[in-house]
Parts: sequence; C-alpha cells; structure tokens
Amino acid sequence: EAQVTQNPRYLITVTGKKLTVTCSQNMNHEYMSWYRQDPGLGLRQIYYSMNVEVTDKGDVPEGYKVSRKEKRNFPLILESPSPNQTSLYFCASSSLYDFEKLFFGSGTQLSVL
Amino acid sequence: GENVEQHPSTLSVQEGDSAVIKCTYSDSASNYFPWYKQELGKRPQLIIDIRSNVGEKKDQRIAVTLNKTAKHFSLHITETQPEDSAVYFCAASPSGSARQLTFGSGTQLTVLP
Repeated sequence: EAQVTQNPRYLITVTGKKLTVTCSQNMNHEYMSWYRQDPGLGLRQIYYSMNVEVTDKGDVPEGYKVSRKEKRNFPLILESPSPNQTSLYFCASSSLYDFEKLFFGSGTQLSVL
Repeated sequence: GENVEQHPSTLSVQEGDSAVIKCTYSDSASNYFPWYKQELGKRPQLIIDIRSNVGEKKDQRIAVTLNKTAKHFSLHITETQPEDSAVYFCAASPSGSARQLTFGSGTQLTVLP
C-alpha cells in the first residue's frame, strides 16, 4: 500500500531536549516536505527536498533541521525544542512526474513543555 | 513570498444547501490552486485543483472557480451532506505543482442535518 509513514504519532517532551520525527515513503517519490499546522494559521511549510541531498527552506524553517540521505526518508530534527514549536506536524511527498498529488502522512502531535 | 487569505474561518449550512469558500492570493506568479479536505483527526487530502489557464473545474458536487485578474479562487460545494463536514484548505503555488504550496488558514465547514 502506498503510504507516507510518520513516527511518533504523539510526542511530549521538554524544552531543550533534542528530538527527531521520522518520515518515510514507499512510493519512490522525489519530493518530500514538512509542514506544521497551527489553529488559525493553516499549514506552513518548514523545509522541503526535491531529491537526495537537496533540501530548501520553506516559510518557517527557524529551529528545525532536515536531512535527505536516502530517497525514502526525510527526518525532521529539533535540536533544542521550545514551547512555540508545539504543533501538529505533517510530512508529505509527491512524484515529480505526478506532481499534482501530495500524499500526507498521518501527522505527529508534538507538545514541548 | 506568497500570501493566501481564506474566508470564512467557519461556515455552517443546512444539509442540501450550497457552501462557498473564498481565497485570495498575492503572488501573480502563482499558477496552481488545489483544495484540501481534512476530516477530524485525519490527514489533509486533495479534493480538487485548478490551473491558471482554466477558469472553472467541476467534479460531481464540487467546483472551483478562478479569477486571475482579481487573484481569487473559490470552492463551491452543492447539495451538501453531513460527510462534507471538515476543515477545507485552499493553497497556491508558483511551481505549477504541489511543491512550494502556501496554504490558507482553513475553513471549518459544518453541515447540519
């Protein structure tokens, strides 16, 4: 089954404790992206990647890092989380050859205390 | 960068009535405008999209219209049903694809039985 898998689904952590949210897709998609969703603000892009070893900042990249060492994986790293990074995070992917369809993962609800 | 404004933030309609959600965008280079539906606790899913060379597109009870001159586009849902209740997001992209999407803030649609 074609899917984008995010882990964990829920995460509660404390300020300053490094964390990684994993994202993996099994569709051989070139494009992957991270969004955060906050009430009244919609979905805002954090980082995106057009292919392996190619990443670019989105609209709200501060406080986040990403890497794309393998085509299927696109982890989101918070080196020193802060309470303002409490949010619902979505990973998404699409093919460069079927570029209208963006597949979303099931989301990660992060709470930073 | 692109800025997408979406109205209204909440919308309640009686079952069987029509619903209209409107979005405006700022970047005249934007050429791809998708709409996503997010049911409670679920991931966003693409329901319809339109490109800048088309003025209107329909898919059964859903239609999207685009006015490039005024830089606005709208989602129309006819004969609404309770399962249409969800948050709807509009988005715009200058890349002609689902890459680099800027989303609106979302509209909570409630269809009352």
